[in-house]
Amino acid sequence: GQSLEQPSEVTAVEGAIVQINCTYQTSGFYGLSWYQQHDGGAPTFLSYNALDGLEETGRFSSFLSRSDSYGYLLLQELQMKDSASYFCAVRWGGGFKTIFGAGTRLFVKA
Amino acid sequence: ETGVTQTPRHLVMGMTNKKSLKCEQHLGHNAMYWYKQSAKKPLELMFVYSLEERVENNSVPSRFSPECPNSSHLFLHLHTLQPEDSALYLCASSQTLETGQTNTGELFFGEGSRLTVL
Repeated sequence: GQSLEQPSEVTAVEGAIVQINCTYQTSGFYGLSWYQQHDGGAPTFLSYNALDGLEETGRFSSFLSRSDSYGYLLLQELQMKDSASYFCAVRWGGGFKTIFGAGTRLFVKA
Repeated sequence: ETGVTQTPRHLVMGMTNKKSLKCEQHLGHNAMYWYKQSAKKPLELMFVYSLEERVENNSVPSRFSPECPNSSHLFLHLHTLQPEDSALYLCASSQTLETGQTNTGELFFGEGSRLTVL
């Protein structure tokens, strides 16, 4: 079956760097995405990796290793507003299907 | 504002009721999705419509019935639900491309309909 594993919670202090790991098991892999969801809000897209390597978008970076079925989201210069849930997601099945991990709750402390 | 609007935002229903959730996207996308989000569980893909044709039905119980009358609207009809169906139901849209093209497959989500089944 298809599955994604990510830590349930991470805590970090303001200004620090945090890495959220994701391992996956799927068939027909197209790419790995990351989404952010604040309490009461909609999940919003952060990044996408189809090929191995690092993608950087401002304070956020995402990495993929297809051979290891592994990726991570790196958040730098943490701010209080980064406190949210972060989901890794795999796109597969002809590109129509995106399945999600259970999410990592990030707490940023002052 | 994500360009995807869901109504109602909150719904309480008894097990014998029939209700519908509505989703509308203003992004010109050609694919729409229903996901179920329960606490501490992965988002569960329920249904996928591409070009108004259902392309995925993830073994969802028949008490959930989707309808996609056009590329901008998606409904989820609910009847004889169970308490364990209480969850946040999220609608999303994306732009799928012709074979050979690639994109990120970015999903644009609505804020969800919070369903409570008594």
